[in-house]
Amino acid sequence: NAGVTQTPKFRVLKTGQSMTLLCAQDMNHEYMYWYRQDPGMGLRLIHYSVGEGTTAKGEVPDGYNVSRLKKQNFLLGLESAAPSQTSVYFCASRTSYNEQFFGPGTRLTVL
Amino acid sequence: AQTVTQSQPEMSVQEAETVTLSCTYDTSENNYYLFWYKQPPSRQMILVIRQEAYKQQNATENRFSVNFQKAAKSFSLKISDSQLGDTAMYFCATALYSGAGSYQLTFGKGTKLSVIP
Repeated sequence: NAGVTQTPKFRVLKTGQSMTLLCAQDMNHEYMYWYRQDPGMGLRLIHYSVGEGTTAKGEVPDGYNVSRLKKQNFLLGLESAAPSQTSVYFCASRTSYNEQFFGPGTRLTVL
Repeated sequence: AQTVTQSQPEMSVQEAETVTLSCTYDTSENNYYLFWYKQPPSRQMILVIRQEAYKQQNATENRFSVNFQKAAKSFSLKISDSQLGDTAMYFCATALYSGAGSYQLTFGKGTKLSVIP
């Protein structure tokens, strides 16, 4: 039981490049979330999904897109990366008791 | 927008001593959840303890316990018998209902706890 996994763990992009972060969970959770964490800040919600095929915006959605084609996977896309998107990205899935379990994070640097 | 305030950016405690981390929040909702998460240097976010707002009894989890004061909107974390492995950032978070069965977490900015040998 791997829990929540994220791919890749590290990535460096140039401004304007695109990339996709992959989150996978093997706990059969309906709800999944993408957050970003910046220095001196807690986590801020980017987008979330309440089930396969459904997504919704969180607190800081601009510049990101998401897709949930399969229940176990939640993808976060950056179409045209900007230096302001340099951050650590966390994916999480949620139990029926409202406990969120997090992946190990992806450190993204945009030059 | 929800706000979660952790007023202590950094704290330190001697090994085996007790420390309390503060958290206050702002909501007009009656049904919500509260959490403390730990983030060690490995960066992994680890759930420490959970409290439902409708429960008056304070949650405990081994050496970790909370003091939940609903009227004061306060949710502090007490760590007893502090261990070196408790050194980490600690984040307080609230989960409020956002529709379609989903609860959204709002995090505080964190308290950096150092346990001193």
